Amino acid sequence: AQKVTQAQTEISVVEKEDVTLDCVYETRDTTYYLFWYKQPPSGELVFLIRRNSFDEQNEISGRYSWNFQKSTSSFNFTITASQVVDSAVYFCALSEGGGATNKLIFGTGTLLAVQP
Amino acid sequence: KAGVTQTPRYLIKTRGQQVTLSCSPISGHRSVSWYQQTPGQGLQFLFEYFSETQRNKGNFPGRFSGRQFSNSRSEMNVSTLELGDSALYLCASSLGGIRPYEQYFGPGTRLTVT
Repeated sequence: AQKVTQAQTEISVVEKEDVTLDCVYETRDTTYYLFWYKQPPSGELVFLIRRNSFDEQNEISGRYSWNFQKSTSSFNFTITASQVVDSAVYFCALSEGGGATNKLIFGTGTLLAVQP
Repeated sequence: KAGVTQTPRYLIKTRGQQVTLSCSPISGHRSVSWYQQTPGQGLQFLFEYFSETQRNKGNFPGRFSGRQFSNSRSEMNVSTLELGDSALYLCASSLGGIRPYEQYFGPGTRLTVT
């Protein structure tokens, strides 16, 4: 069965600190896709990244970086030099790639609070 | 490009009533998915429509239904509302096709059942 685990329920950091959000997934498929979404207090989910199971290259986008490790079934997200605007709930999600579907299995989310 | 729009944004209904929520996807997107978000269950997949056909369905009772029109707009309906249906209902659109493209979410409809 597919499952996404975000063990960190809440994280609080002070501005400019680096923070890593953990994501561990379970799937029997060899082809799958992983996603990260941000949900600010306004409620709208904002797409951050999509990664397929065949691409283990790490990715960096500005202050954001993602570390994908198939060996440990993890897809962790790091924010460098955090800012107050980064405060939000962050969700990791998994989608099977074998079939034609956009169904996402979400983790329970990590609430990140960045204090000024 | 305009984003995903959902109407209404807020809704208060009474137990036993029915409700219809609407979602307009990003222009050119053919897939629309619906999710329910509650504090207890988190984000759960309801169903996905692609080219007017339901392509996938989550584990929700038959009271939850949906449809998609030829212009890709989608509606979801919940009949015989229960208190537990109170939630944020999120619609997401994507290009569709045979691979899971990134989905873009709307602002949601906050449904309160009293």
